Amino acid sequence: GQNIDQPTEMTATEGAIVQINCTYQTSGFNGLFWYQQHAGEAPTFLSYNVLDGLEEKGRFSSFLSRSKGYSYLLLKELQMKDSASYLCAVLDSNYQLIWGAGTKLIIKP
Amino acid sequence: DAMVIQNPRYQVTQFGKPVTLSCSQTLNHNVMYWYQQKSSQAPKLLFHYYDKDFNNEADTPDNFQSRRPNTSFCFLDIRSPGLGDAAMYLCATSLDRGGTDTQYFGPGTRLTVL
Repeated sequence: GQNIDQPTEMTATEGAIVQINCTYQTSGFNGLFWYQQHAGEAPTFLSYNVLDGLEEKGRFSSFLSRSKGYSYLLLKELQMKDSASYLCAVLDSNYQLIWGAGTKLIIKP
Repeated sequence: DAMVIQNPRYQVTQFGKPVTLSCSQTLNHNVMYWYQQKSSQAPKLLFHYYDKDFNNEADTPDNFQSRRPNTSFCFLDIRSPGLGDAAMYLCATSLDRGGTDTQYFGPGTRLTVL
C-alpha cells in the first residue's frame, strides 16, 4: 500500500527553528509537495521537490532524499502566524497526490 | 486576481436532503478536483475532471456525484447526505495532471449534516 508518515503534532518557540519530517512509501514517485493549512482553511502551496537536495524559499526550506523516501520542511525564525498544519503529499506513478495526515505545529511565545 | 472560489463557505443540510456545492476558477486550468477532508485527516480525493473527462476514485461512494458544465465551473452533488458526510469539501485546480503542476485550492465548504 501507499503510505505517508509525518508526526501528528510539534511544538516550537517563536523565533526558533523547527524541522518537520515526512517519510513515504508510494508506487512510483513524481515529486513531493509541502502545503500549509491554517485551521478551517484550504491548503496553500509551499514547495515542490522532485530532485534530491535542499530547496530554499525565504524562511522555509524543503529537503528531499529519494533513495531514503524522506523529506523535511525546515522553518526558520518562527512567527506566531506559522501555527498551522503542514501537509506532505507525494505524486505517485499515476500522477495521483497521496497525502499525509499533516503535522500540527504549535508556536509558543 | 485569478483564483478558485467555493460557495457557500458553510452549508448546513438535513440528513438525507440533497445538497450541491459549487466551485469556480478563473485560472483556466484543465483539471478540477474535489476532496473531502475530515478533522485532523489528510484530504481524500473523491474525483477529478481532466477537461470533460471524469475520473472517479474507486472508493468514492455512489452518493457523491459531480458535474462540470464548462471549464470554469464544477459542482459536487451529495444525493442523500449522512452524518458521516459532515466534513470540509475542498475544490482544487491544476493546469495539467502531474509534474510541477501544483494544485491550487479554494477556501473550502464546511458541510454540517443535522
